[in-house]
Amino acid sequence: QLQLQESGPGLVKPSETLSLTCTVSGGSITSSTYYWGWIRQPPWKGLEWIGSIYYTGITYDNPSLKSRVTISVDTSKNQFSLKLNSVTAADTAVYYCAGQLGPGWFFDSWGQGTLVTVSS
Amino acid sequence: DIQMTQSPSTLSASVGDRVTITCRASQSISSWLAWYQQKPGKAPKLLIYEASSLESGVPSRFSGSGSGTEFTLTISSLQPDDFASYYCQQYNSPTWTFGQGTRVEIK
Repeated sequence: QLQLQESGPGLVKPSETLSLTCTVSGGSITSSTYYWGWIRQPPWKGLEWIGSIYYTGITYDNPSLKSRVTISVDTSKNQFSLKLNSVTAADTAVYYCAGQLGPGWFFDSWGQGTLVTVSS
Repeated sequence: DIQMTQSPSTLSASVGDRVTITCRASQSISSWLAWYQQKPGKAPKLLIYEASSLESGVPSRFSGSGSGTEFTLTISSLQPDDFASYYCQQYNSPTWTFGQGTRVEIK
């Protein structure tokens, strides 16, 4: 059973870069049957997919985030990471990392989520 | 981009009721649809994948149907533990999209 855990600062200043890491346990991040994704949820709102990465480094991200997203993978640490630059208050949200099982790549394993607040 | 539209946004129901939530895709997604349940302060939980396949450990009162652009999640007999928010999600393209959610509340 996969377990995922997000880590990173809970407070980021406007215009700076939000950085989060997801540590995967209970399985290998190099599994061929998984993508690894980031999802966020602003307070009292719905879920928004941010982006996903395969262990080979193939990435996809949400066009609505206008290329502010960088997702990377560190196979030696069984981790993947999210960077979101030029943040504003609208980026305040609970950020989840998740495992996406193929072939449909649905989100079958989730981290507990971490609240990131953008404020000066 | 594929847009997902859920209805209703809020649903009031009683224990024992049959509940149906609808999700429509802006273009055909075959059967590449999942449903999630989310309770306050918790991560979403996968209920249904590939439109109608029940995730392991999920009670059989949950079922999914549909293909193409119209999908439904049905709870055959609503239980107290089922009061939560539900989201559909398409994964037919490399830009995954969630519906806006349906909150199931106690009538």
